Amino acid sequence: EADIYQTPRYLVIGTGKKITLECSQTMGHDKMYWYQQDPGMELHLIHYSYGVNSTEKGDLSSESTVSRIRTEHFPLTLESARPSHTSQYLCAAVGAANTGELFFGEGSRLTVL
Amino acid sequence: KNQVEQSPQSLIILEGKNCTLQCNYTVSPFSNLRWYKQDTGRGPVSLTIMTFSENTKSNGRYTATLDADTKQSSLHITASQLSDSASYICVVSDRGSTLGRLYFGRGTQLTVWP
Repeated sequence: EADIYQTPRYLVIGTGKKITLECSQTMGHDKMYWYQQDPGMELHLIHYSYGVNSTEKGDLSSESTVSRIRTEHFPLTLESARPSHTSQYLCAAVGAANTGELFFGEGSRLTVL
Repeated sequence: KNQVEQSPQSLIILEGKNCTLQCNYTVSPFSNLRWYKQDTGRGPVSLTIMTFSENTKSNGRYTATLDADTKQSSLHITASQLSDSASYICVVSDRGSTLGRLYFGRGTQLTVWP
């Protein structure tokens, strides 16, 4: 398995604040992903990385940015949060290469007032 | 357009009863189909992964079926428990890459009542 750790689990902030959602994994896997999930809706891919110094935007346009300086960490940053950014953010990593199984973190619930 | 449709949107059953959740997809080409369980406020947890050649796969009280010809899958839950209350998400992968692009359904919200 690929244990995925996300912090914070819950965050309530005011408009205009800068926030960083942390994601780390312990197994050294290369492929990591950020998804956005709203209630009753499907997960939408917003960023992914196939290794150190490799980051790509996903299907859903997002004002957030990501970095991958180390294999273990894949933080997501919002420079200026807005109420429209209120959502659940899920980080994931691919486990064993032969199965391609995707392991998710517990998520970060962001509320922007 | 590649899509994954799940039904029903929500379902309420009594503890101990069985239920079946449906997933229809139009994703092509097809690589594999996954079922995830997502408890409220938590991340999704994988239940099964099925490839083109697999028709049935079980994981405890969960049994998934796949008909690649009709592009349909079902997840059958036997002897439901209160802890089965969750959203069940169907995810289909194409063969675009090693992982493939993933297409997510909106999930079926299952509630098990005592």
